[in-house]
Amino acid sequence: DAGVTQSPTHLIKTRGQQVTLRCSPKSGHDTVSWYQQALGQGPQFIFQYYEEEERQRGNFPDRFSGHQFPNYSSELNVNALLLGDSALYLCASSGQGMGDTQYFGPGTRLTVL
Amino acid sequence: GENVEQHPSTLSVQEGDSAVIKCTYSDSASNYFPWYKQELGKRPQLIIDIRSNVGEKKDQRIAVTLNKTAKHFSLHITETQPEDSAVYFCAALVSGGYNKLIFGAGTRLAVHP
Repeated sequence: DAGVTQSPTHLIKTRGQQVTLRCSPKSGHDTVSWYQQALGQGPQFIFQYYEEEERQRGNFPDRFSGHQFPNYSSELNVNALLLGDSALYLCASSGQGMGDTQYFGPGTRLTVL
Repeated sequence: GENVEQHPSTLSVQEGDSAVIKCTYSDSASNYFPWYKQELGKRPQLIIDIRSNVGEKKDQRIAVTLNKTAKHFSLHITETQPEDSAVYFCAALVSGGYNKLIFGAGTRLAVHP
């Protein structure tokens, strides 16, 4: 039974570039949430996908967008990268219910130079 | 607004002592409170959670208590061991949302042999 997986593990980009991060949920889960974790801070909710639609969003600009595929995997896209976007990006999978336990992937460490 | 405050930010104990981490939340309708442990360079891992219909939950050396009136919840670790050293995050489910978690800023626990 595979857990949550993410790719790539690390990524280095320059300001203004675009990046795509990928997440495969735990077997049996259909909901994917994305979080940004800056160094020394707790994860911050970006958005959540269910049934291939964004159903909830945190306080992040439109430069952050996402997608969910029919197999429940998900992508996070960030356009026009800023230095402040450097962080660990975590995805978490869960069932669709409110308060269903969220299981995190290993994260993608994004560095923007 | 939605907010979770966590204290202390750092905690140092001797092996065998107890450790207590406290969190307060702002949304009185929150009803689900997980705790995650994050070791250096690794993903957050759920260690225990509690729902608002109970006041306390235990799992071996770990316990969580919830005071809905005061909007407080706490993590208690007894008989600490060096492998308990990590950053611990509390979180609260946002009411009215599907499964959006708001995290505290984390507590770095160091257990000294």
